[in-house]
Amino acid sequence: GIQVEQSPPDLILQEGANSTLRCNFSDSVNNLQWFHQNPWGQLINLFYIPSGTKQNGRLSATTVATERYSLLYISSSQTTDSGVYFCAVIIQGAQKLVFGQGTRLTINP
Amino acid sequence: SAVISQKPSRDICQRGTSLTIQCQVDSQVTMMFWYRQQPGQSLTLIATANQGSEATYESGFVIDKFPISRPNLTFSTLTVSNMSPEDSSIYLCSVRRQGAGELFFGEGSRLTVL
Repeated sequence: GIQVEQSPPDLILQEGANSTLRCNFSDSVNNLQWFHQNPWGQLINLFYIPSGTKQNGRLSATTVATERYSLLYISSSQTTDSGVYFCAVIIQGAQKLVFGQGTRLTINP
Repeated sequence: SAVISQKPSRDICQRGTSLTIQCQVDSQVTMMFWYRQQPGQSLTLIATANQGSEATYESGFVIDKFPISRPNLTFSTLTVSNMSPEDSSIYLCSVRRQGAGELFFGEGSRLTVL
């Protein structure tokens, strides 16, 4: 099956710092999503981005489908950005979302 | 987006008992899925809930342990049967509308089995 690898697995930063999270996938996809899981376990949709670049406030994402990777950028980090960030993909011809192992982000005040 | 309600949000259960989790969506959706997230782990698909027919289970998950119903286009249930402490997890419902690429998740149901 498809492999979804996220890096780094853990990231600790000070408030105000910028960060880049990476997601590599092993097959062609027709869906790629980024999620933020907050400390209460809620999974929040950040981006639906099978290709191209999108921005939403301090967050932006880029997917280069031909090279099979996606990047999530977080600028001017805040403590509320802490949590686990998941990348998930659906391969072409399939219906199910396959998750990476996540990046645990900790933002210290 | 879709408004997805899951019940219960959390529960503490005794070993050997069963618990049914409900997932209610505010509008008709084509695809409904159930995921499990064990402590400290990523999300794993349990099954696709098919309307009016048996669910499609992923490798490692069986109907006797995780029976699923989907009587209509807005509602599904997942039962965790004969629970053991290893079943302590967050269980999440996910939906996808027809013609849409994006999937949305419910708030999750956090089960602790003693």
